[in-house]
Amino acid sequence: DGGITQSPKYLFRKEGQNVTLSCEQNLNHDAMYWYRQDPGQGLRLIYYSQIVNDFQKGDIAEGYSVSREKKESFPLTVTSAQKNPTAFYLCASTQQGGRATEAFFGQGTRLTVV
Amino acid sequence: QKEVEQNSGPLSVPEGAIASLNCTYSDRGSQSFFWYRQYSGKSPELIMFIYSNGDKEDGRFTAQLNKASQYVSLLIRDSQPSDSATYLCAVKSLRGGSNYKLTFGKGTLLTVNP
Repeated sequence: DGGITQSPKYLFRKEGQNVTLSCEQNLNHDAMYWYRQDPGQGLRLIYYSQIVNDFQKGDIAEGYSVSREKKESFPLTVTSAQKNPTAFYLCASTQQGGRATEAFFGQGTRLTVV
Repeated sequence: QKEVEQNSGPLSVPEGAIASLNCTYSDRGSQSFFWYRQYSGKSPELIMFIYSNGDKEDGRFTAQLNKASQYVSLLIRDSQPSDSATYLCAVKSLRGGSNYKLTFGKGTLLTVNP
């Protein structure tokens, strides 16, 4: 079955530690996105990528980094520079062109700082 | 002005009533508009998309788009308790070349009371 897989589902980070969230899709989609969601809030865009080896900052990129070495994969690293990383992280993908191309989401990773 | 704004909610309606959810956007060049439903702790799922002015109906759901007013809405007829969720408005905008960006509003929490 085609879809997006995020792992792990739950992740705990110690202060000052970098962690990497995985996102893999087998939908052959060009574009991939990372969003952050805080309790009771909407989705805020962290980074997005339209094509392999290229990505753009979203609205809240500080303290995060990404790579897009393969079309299927778009991992997100939460660095120690991100002071308040506890949140629900969602990865999405979509076809690039066309107006009616919906975004498909992974199941999310809940990151907690301990 | 935020790129995508939704009525803040929460919104509470009795079972069987019509729920009306609103969204405005700032980028006049936005091309596509999506409504997602998100249950607590889960990832968003697509309800409808619209890209032409006017109404689009799908079962109990009707999306309305007015590009001149930069306004999109979602009506839920015969609301059911299972419709209780957060509804997210998303806007797809062209950022130059083939570079698209998908931006979400903060969401509106809907509660349907039996």
